[in-house]
Amino acid sequence: GQSLEQPSEVTAVEGAIVQINCTYQTSGFYGLSWYQQHDGGAPTFLSYNGLDGLEETGRFSSFLSRSDSYGYLLLQELQMKDSASYFCAVRDPSSGSARQLTFGSGTQLTVLP
Amino acid sequence: GAVVSQHPSRVICKSGTSVKIECRSLDFQATTMFWYRQFPKKSLMLMATSNEGSKATYEQGVEKDKFLINHASLTLSTLTVTSAHPEDSSFYICSARVTNGEQYFGPGTRLTVT
Repeated sequence: GQSLEQPSEVTAVEGAIVQINCTYQTSGFYGLSWYQQHDGGAPTFLSYNGLDGLEETGRFSSFLSRSDSYGYLLLQELQMKDSASYFCAVRDPSSGSARQLTFGSGTQLTVLP
Repeated sequence: GAVVSQHPSRVICKSGTSVKIECRSLDFQATTMFWYRQFPKKSLMLMATSNEGSKATYEQGVEKDKFLINHASLTLSTLTVTSAHPEDSSFYICSARVTNGEQYFGPGTRLTVT
């Protein structure tokens, strides 16, 4: 089975940097993805790490350490619109070609003015 | 980019009736779609994997006779909640898998059973 842990809530101020951690326990591993979800909206894909290291996409970066079963999402120059829930997710290798996603419990980020 | 739509976005139905939710991939073909359920402030829980041209694969604890899934074409999957009860009220989200394995999500359907 798969399990992922992330903090339930994080609060930061506009312009700051915030890091959301994700640790996982999986029977196999195809990579770690990050999704953003605003209230009542669809999850939106942010980034994917298949290999160790840092992936940078604009203000967002994601890091993976497979040996530590750990990853994080880094959000820089925070804006009010970044207030949302952030989910880490792993692809389930036991699902074969379906590549099902198992989601963490989500981190509610609140950006204060 | 990959766009997935869902219809309806919101639906209110009476207990005992059935509701059909459509999930469409608008600009790509998807042999695999997924249906999730999400409670307020909670994570997405996978309900089933919808495969075009074959039976859906349901997760443990999900009643296949209650949540009927049909993936009749490469761009459409439907979820029918049969004999709905108030406890079925939830946010239902579909996703479609593109060729590189990434999933793109629909906007979700808010179901309220009264």
